[in-house]
Amino acid sequence: QVQLVQSGAEVKKPGSSVKVSCKASGGIFSSYAISWVRQAPGQGLEWMGGIIPIFGTANYAQKFQGRVTITADESTSTAYMELSSLRSEDTAVYYCARDAVAGTFQIADYWGQGTLVTVSS
Amino acid sequence: QSALTQPASVSGSPGQSITISCTGTSSDVGSYNLVSWYQQHPGKAPKLMIYEGTKRPSGVSNRFSGSKSGNTASLTISGLQAEDEADYYCCSYAGSSTPYVFGTGTKVTVL
Repeated sequence: QVQLVQSGAEVKKPGSSVKVSCKASGGIFSSYAISWVRQAPGQGLEWMGGIIPIFGTANYAQKFQGRVTITADESTSTAYMELSSLRSEDTAVYYCARDAVAGTFQIADYWGQGTLVTVSS
Repeated sequence: QSALTQPASVSGSPGQSITISCTGTSSDVGSYNLVSWYQQHPGKAPKLMIYEGTKRPSGVSNRFSGSKSGNTASLTISGLQAEDEADYYCCSYAGSSTPYVFGTGTKVTVL
């Protein structure tokens, strides 16, 4: 069974960066897309970007272009999302999600438990 | 890419059926049979309920069904139960550069 375990909650200052990890177990890590989705307090889900580890290149939502970097370490089956120039509006729960179909983004099936990032001075 | 449009809230009594709409464009919902629906209880991660517009993952109740017409997808919950009270989000594939666009979310209340 596929499991995604994310790193713990973070408190960051405005202007700083945060890096959240997502460690996968079960299944073949390299072949399946990992997406990062965030949810601000009381708000909806928002796709930030994703990566298919075997291809290595990440896709990003236009809104986050230039501020987010998504990477994957195949040796440890871990994906990372780094968000820079943090502002208060970035306070949210950040989820990683793995696709059900190899080699493409089609169905975000397996989800991590979420990581709360709080941006506050 | 703009969020897909869902009603903010839908309610129903136990045993009734409700339908949640999800309106996109010809660039997302209308172009692909790749709409997913997620259920999210407070403080929990989203759970996949419907994929490829009409298919249910193993373990999901057959009270949940999906459909699509043109640029609008729909999720129907029949035989509404108290445990169905949650937020529901649609999500559509929207092309290779920005693969996913989510809906605005619908709060389902069981009266």
